[in-house]
Amino acid sequence: NAGVTQTPKFQVLKTGQSMTLQCAQDMNHEYMSWYRQDPGMGLRLIHYSVGAGITDQGEVPNGYNVSRSTTEDFPLRLLSAAPSQTSVYFCASSYNRDRQPQHFGDGTRLSIL
Amino acid sequence: GESVGLHLPTLSVQEGDNSIINCAYSNSASDYFIWYKQESGKGPQFIIDIRSNMDKRQGQRVTVLLNKTVKHLSLQIAATQPGDSAVYFCAENILETGKLIFGQGTTLQVKP
Repeated sequence: NAGVTQTPKFQVLKTGQSMTLQCAQDMNHEYMSWYRQDPGMGLRLIHYSVGAGITDQGEVPNGYNVSRSTTEDFPLRLLSAAPSQTSVYFCASSYNRDRQPQHFGDGTRLSIL
Repeated sequence: GESVGLHLPTLSVQEGDNSIINCAYSNSASDYFIWYKQESGKGPQFIIDIRSNMDKRQGQRVTVLLNKTVKHLSLQIAATQPGDSAVYFCAENILETGKLIFGQGTTLQVKP
């Protein structure tokens, strides 16, 4: 099993550009989520999904969209990138939403100029 | 070993000593808690978890203690090794939402 795979690992964008961060897991996990991590801070939840076709907002959802058309994939979209979205983005998954440890990918480092 | 009170950003210990990393959580509805280790350039790695109906759980060289009365969580690492150097985060799982709320993290530095 590859676990949680995130692509790309690094990306530089200009303000106003759009892009999609990819996340895939091969563990048949129902629950998936996206976090951002800024210097000196813990991880903050952006969006999450408890199963295919279901998504919901986390703590910091503004500027991001998600969809969950399959169990395996949970892409994160930035429609119009802003410098405030410069961060490291982590995707995580778990068997279900309750009392299960979430397993993280190695992150996408995103810089917005 | 060294003990710290409430959250400190950095903990420095001698190799072979025991480490104790503390965390205060905020939500009374949290029923599940996890400790993660994050090395530079990597994603958080699961270390150990504990459910709210327990007050102690042990793993290999690690022990998590939960005090629900004061909403306090601690991670104890026995015989700390250089490979334990990393940032450690506690996280609380909000009941029936799956939301993980992370603490700010403690950097553990192990001196040879």
